[in-house]
Amino acid sequence: NAGVTQTPKFQVLKTGQSMTLQCAQDMNHEYMSWYRQDPGMGLRLIHYSVGAGITDQGEVPNGYNVSRSTTEDFPLRLLSAAPSQTSVYFCASSSGGGNTEAFFGQGTRLTVV
Amino acid sequence: KQEVTQIPAALSVPEGENLVLNCSFTDSAIYNLQWFRQDPGKGLTSLLLIQSSQREQTSGRLNASLDKSSGRSTLYIAASQPGDSATYLCAVRSLNSNSGYALNFGKGTSLLVTP
Repeated sequence: NAGVTQTPKFQVLKTGQSMTLQCAQDMNHEYMSWYRQDPGMGLRLIHYSVGAGITDQGEVPNGYNVSRSTTEDFPLRLLSAAPSQTSVYFCASSSGGGNTEAFFGQGTRLTVV
Repeated sequence: KQEVTQIPAALSVPEGENLVLNCSFTDSAIYNLQWFRQDPGKGLTSLLLIQSSQREQTSGRLNASLDKSSGRSTLYIAASQPGDSATYLCAVRSLNSNSGYALNFGKGTSLLVTP
């Protein structure tokens, strides 16, 4: 009964380093998305995918890259980390269509120093 | 662009009180509205999902209502307990979104229930 699994839970990066935040779901959901949560800003959409091989940008995509080679996995890549990317990152999935429920992972807390 | 507002931003009540959290949204063309709970340092737990054609949903001591035409939803918590202390988030899935089926979130209501 895993649902949406994110790894790692915590990460500290130095400015300029790269890393990949992993997200996997076992519910065969078509729609997956990444959000970041910052104090006073709420959750904002970074990238989303409506199915394997299809990705698109959300509200705050700069500095992030995504791909979707399988239905299950939707990794988020930081190519050159900046302090402004210090945030909590959440991955979500839903079964596609607008009427469905969204499920979230437990989040990755990222600090860029 | 859909804007979601939650009032109040913070709320402190004594145990046992019934309370109401408010959520408003600017575009009534929605698929659904979802209420989440977030404990400090944790992820989002889905509490209730209301489809655009529904007026309310209930789960245990929680009742969520939706008035789509006026752009409002309320989350009613009956007989509050200290374990209800958390941040409650309202999120709307819009028909007119440019981002597929993305959710638009409010900034949340931070609830503290004191013994």
